[in-house]
Amino acid sequence: GESVGLHLPTLSVQEGDNSIINCAYSNSASDYFIWYKQESGKGPQFIIDIRSNMDKRQGQRVTVLLNKTVKHLSLQIAATQPGDSAVYFCAENIGGTYKYIFGTGTRLKVLA
Amino acid sequence: NAGVMQNPRHLVRRRGQEARLRCSPMKGHSHVYWYRQLPEEGLKFMVYLQKENIIDESGMPKERFSAEFPKEGPSILRIQQVVRGDSAAYFCASSPTASGRLYNEQFFGPGTRLTVL
Repeated sequence: GESVGLHLPTLSVQEGDNSIINCAYSNSASDYFIWYKQESGKGPQFIIDIRSNMDKRQGQRVTVLLNKTVKHLSLQIAATQPGDSAVYFCAENIGGTYKYIFGTGTRLKVLA
Repeated sequence: NAGVMQNPRHLVRRRGQEARLRCSPMKGHSHVYWYRQLPEEGLKFMVYLQKENIIDESGMPKERFSAEFPKEGPSILRIQQVVRGDSAAYFCASSPTASGRLYNEQFFGPGTRLTVL
């Protein structure tokens, strides 16, 4: 849905712990999803993607889980490091079209 | 291989002035997208262009905003007679020419932060 200008939800985790960031997507027809990381003052950076014919995909220290039944996406970061501090966005896409719909984002703070 | 480049990185304008934001896509990319991001919010699609063509401008306000992607040179997002509400970060993304791959990642530039006084 459309953002209404609320402050970003924030997740604070201890360095070395695992982080789980959640995203509820809007369109049941969406079939491709991307997680982006945005550090302060920078543009979004691709982390990992998943297609709707999968429910889990693993990268280096990151795992994305997709639950199409409840239109929910999560990003798991293992052994969270200070460099992981950023805002994380999910983006959904329908049928390979050019248009991505971005979620509001979650701010991840890593505590030393 | 340079990424998506945007300039200026920061732009300050007074109300009523014009703002011009430039985006050079990655080498080999012919698709350009512009997004706007307000503080503490996600990215909102504005316009999608291919070389010399506007494909979809449904996210762009009909007045004061225009975009182009000429045959030669960068894509330009132009905002005329800026107002305080135009203050935001404007991001450009590019993707490669359709190559038979169904899903094309969009690669983002560092953004231009526009402040309207």
